[in-house]
Amino acid sequence: KQEVTQIPAALSVPEGENLVLNCSFTDSAIYNLQWFRQDPGKGLTSLLLIQSSQREQTSGRLNASLDKSSGRSTLYIAASQPGDSATYLCAVKGGEGAGGTSYGKLTFGQGTILTVHP
Amino acid sequence: ETGVTQTPRHLVMGMTNKKSLKCEQHLGHNAMYWYKQSAKKPLELMFVYSLEERVENNSVPSRFSPECPNSSHLFLHLHTLQPEDSALYLCASSLRISGMGNSPLHFGNGTRLTVT
Repeated sequence: KQEVTQIPAALSVPEGENLVLNCSFTDSAIYNLQWFRQDPGKGLTSLLLIQSSQREQTSGRLNASLDKSSGRSTLYIAASQPGDSATYLCAVKGGEGAGGTSYGKLTFGQGTILTVHP
Repeated sequence: ETGVTQTPRHLVMGMTNKKSLKCEQHLGHNAMYWYKQSAKKPLELMFVYSLEERVENNSVPSRFSPECPNSSHLFLHLHTLQPEDSALYLCASSLRISGMGNSPLHFGNGTRLTVT
């Protein structure tokens, strides 16, 4: 059974800092990994999706890396801003046949609550 | 505007009530999902529909009944719920079943359900 763990559970940093959020997963047979952002009382917004054959993806100040063999992904946020404050979730999609399905199953971590203070 | 719209945003219901949650997407997606988000627990997949056909029922109690009349609309019918069913219920959609190619999930803002 796939398990996804995110460390730290919460993080508070001053504005301008570069920071790293960690995600680990127990079954390396994944199809892709996705990072989401969730603001309080809102749904999830997709930030980056990394296919299993890729090592990293970048979007603006965000960079996500994937090391499938070690079961790890990191989300790097450069020059953090108060507007980056949110919960960040990672989710992995199982590979073909995972869970007995041909499309795999999306398994989420519990998230990292990020607070960037001015 | 997320592209995926859920109504109502908030719902309070008693254990004997029957209510329905609605989800609508106009992104041209063919797959739709219901997720449950409880406090301090990871998101849990409940149901998956692909082209209006249910392809996954993730061991969800029968007091939750999904309906997908077309590829743009998804409902979750609720009856005789328990207080522990109180949670944020999130609808999502994707172009294809998630995991096939670059097909990320797009989420709605959720319905905050409280069962009294």
